[in-house]
Amino acid sequence: TQLLEQSPQFLSIQEGENLTVYCNSSSVFSSLQWYRQEPGEGPVLLVTVVTGGEVKKLKRLTFQFGDARKDSSLHITAAQPGDTGLYLCAGLGGGSNYKLTFGKGTLLTVNP
Amino acid sequence: EAGVAQSPRYKIIEKRQSVAFWCNPISGHATLYWYQQILGQGPKLLIQFQNNGVVDDSQLPKDRFSAERLKGVDSTLKIQPAKLEDSAVYLCASSPSGVYNEQFFGPGTRLTVL
Repeated sequence: TQLLEQSPQFLSIQEGENLTVYCNSSSVFSSLQWYRQEPGEGPVLLVTVVTGGEVKKLKRLTFQFGDARKDSSLHITAAQPGDTGLYLCAGLGGGSNYKLTFGKGTLLTVNP
Repeated sequence: EAGVAQSPRYKIIEKRQSVAFWCNPISGHATLYWYQQILGQGPKLLIQFQNNGVVDDSQLPKDRFSAERLKGVDSTLKIQPAKLEDSAVYLCASSPSGVYNEQFFGPGTRLTVL
């Protein structure tokens, strides 16, 4: 069973601060996705990272896939209240295991 | 483009009652998923359909849960009888054919079992 551990589980910061959340596994994934989920809504895909060491930027959000494709990080610069939400990472298994495995998420609150 | 539609948005039932959820995926998406998301956890896959065939139902509690996608479009998920531990948000997602299995989620149905 492939498991994804996310940390921290909860994060409360002030507007303008920077933060990093982590997604770690002992398993290798063929790709990894990050989603954001707001209260009462379904998760929304932010990015897919595919290549070990890959870095993708989405405005103030920077996503990195570890060299060994077992871990990933999400860095937010100058957080805003609109960034508040549950950040989920999801790994896609390789080979015949073509299934997304979700972590438990990091609940981020950005206070104005 | 219309997103994934789910209904109802909220449902409250007594334990041992039955309940059904409906999902209409994005037009043209061949793959449909039902997830269970318990408060404080990430989504857990219950069942995956490819068109109207089941690809993976290994985590579906088959003694009480059932799902169907008869015409390869919309889908229903049923729980009969419900238990207290079934209280959760039930998410439906769909994805187009693609290598990375990027999924588009509906708003979910919040089920409370009393």
